[in-house]
Amino acid sequence: QVHLLQSGAEVKGPGASVKVSCKPSGYTFTAYYLHWVRQAPGRGLEWMGWMNPASGGTNYAQKFQGRVTLTRDTSRSTVYMEVTRLTSEDTAVYYCVRDFYDSADNHNYFDYWGQGTLVTV
Amino acid sequence: QSVLTQPPSVSGAPGQRVTISCTGSSSNIGDYDVRWYQQTPGTAPKLIIYGNHKRPSGVPDRFSASKSGTSATLAITGLQAEDESDYYCQSFDSGLSGSIIFGGGTKLTVL
Repeated sequence: QVHLLQSGAEVKGPGASVKVSCKPSGYTFTAYYLHWVRQAPGRGLEWMGWMNPASGGTNYAQKFQGRVTLTRDTSRSTVYMEVTRLTSEDTAVYYCVRDFYDSADNHNYFDYWGQGTLVTV
Repeated sequence: QSVLTQPPSVSGAPGQRVTISCTGSSSNIGDYDVRWYQQTPGTAPKLIIYGNHKRPSGVPDRFSASKSGTSATLAITGLQAEDESDYYCQSFDSGLSGSIIFGGGTKLTVL
């Protein structure tokens, strides 16, 4: 079965950086895009960006450009999200999410989410 | 301030029907599909609607959705206690460098 395993909770000081990992299993690593979505305490969902694990291509929400970097290690079938220059506003649960393409329906949607990683600044 | 506007809260008694609106614009809902997610506290969101009105397997048919112009609506009939959750709409916005966008979320309370 499909599973997205994220790294554990982090506590960082203001100005520091954090790197969260996401290791999918149960399907071919390069088959689907992976997105990152965060949720501050008591707040809504906020999309941060996506990574194409096959090519390494990325796209970021305007808000995070220059401060968030998505990378991948194909030998480890793992993607990483790094956020730099952390502030208290970055305190949130960060989710790794699979973007499934249903060829029968010609639709994309987020079908599997990681367990979330709490980053506290 | 979310690009997609949802009411902060809705409520209904067990067995009743409730609706949750999601209002956008021509650069998002007007041109792209809407998805809906259900989230209970402490858990990751779960997809309940994609392609504006399609239900993934396993989602009860009590959940339905529609889209008209630049707005979308999620409807839940035969309300059950287990439906008490936060609901988020999601779409794509061509005016924001190709961004995926979420509504601010709606808290559904089952009375």
